[in-house]
Amino acid sequence: IAGITQAPTSQILAAGRRMTLRCTQDMRHNAMYWYRQDLGLGLRLIHYSNTAGTTGKGEVPDGYSVSRANTDDFPLTLASAVPSQTSVYFCASSDSTAATDTQYFGPGTRLTVL
Amino acid sequence: GQNIDQPTEMTATEGAIVQINCTYQTSGFNGLFWYQQHAGEAPTFLSYNVLDGLEEKGRFSSFLSRSKGYSYLLLKELQMKDSASYLCAAMDSNYQLIWGAGTKLIIKP
Repeated sequence: IAGITQAPTSQILAAGRRMTLRCTQDMRHNAMYWYRQDLGLGLRLIHYSNTAGTTGKGEVPDGYSVSRANTDDFPLTLASAVPSQTSVYFCASSDSTAATDTQYFGPGTRLTVL
Repeated sequence: GQNIDQPTEMTATEGAIVQINCTYQTSGFNGLFWYQQHAGEAPTFLSYNVLDGLEEKGRFSSFLSRSKGYSYLLLKELQMKDSASYLCAAMDSNYQLIWGAGTKLIIKP
């Protein structure tokens, strides 16, 4: 069982380009999340999905979009990348949004926007 | 606003005990989480507290005081592999996690 996979592992992107970060989980979890992690700051929630077919905005959604067409996949798209989107991006999933359901994290994507 | 405070960095000796403190302020509260994150890796779950008191799990224990908005993670019999960042997160009324910036723990032989 792989758990959560993310692709690519790292990417250098020119400003203004479009980029999709991929996230797939094989645990049949209902809830999925996208976070960004920046030095000196806590993880910040970008978007989330409580179940397939629904999405919601987190703390820092501007410049990002997501879709949840099925249970397993939750891609994150940067429509027109800017340097401030340079960060490490983590995808996570949990069985539900209940507090007792642990969030499991993918290995992360390190994105540099020049 | 919502806020999580924890020390930026701590140093401890192999075999010793270390306590990492966390204070939180959130709109609503649905529990306090601790995660471990080794450099360059993903966070992994350590503990969850929703009631006041101490939860013990092997060498790691976590404490919560809801009235004080305070938690700590206690690590005993420190090993070199415990060198990592420890992330405190509180779950708010919307069941979203509010994360601290993490405490980098350095273990010296």
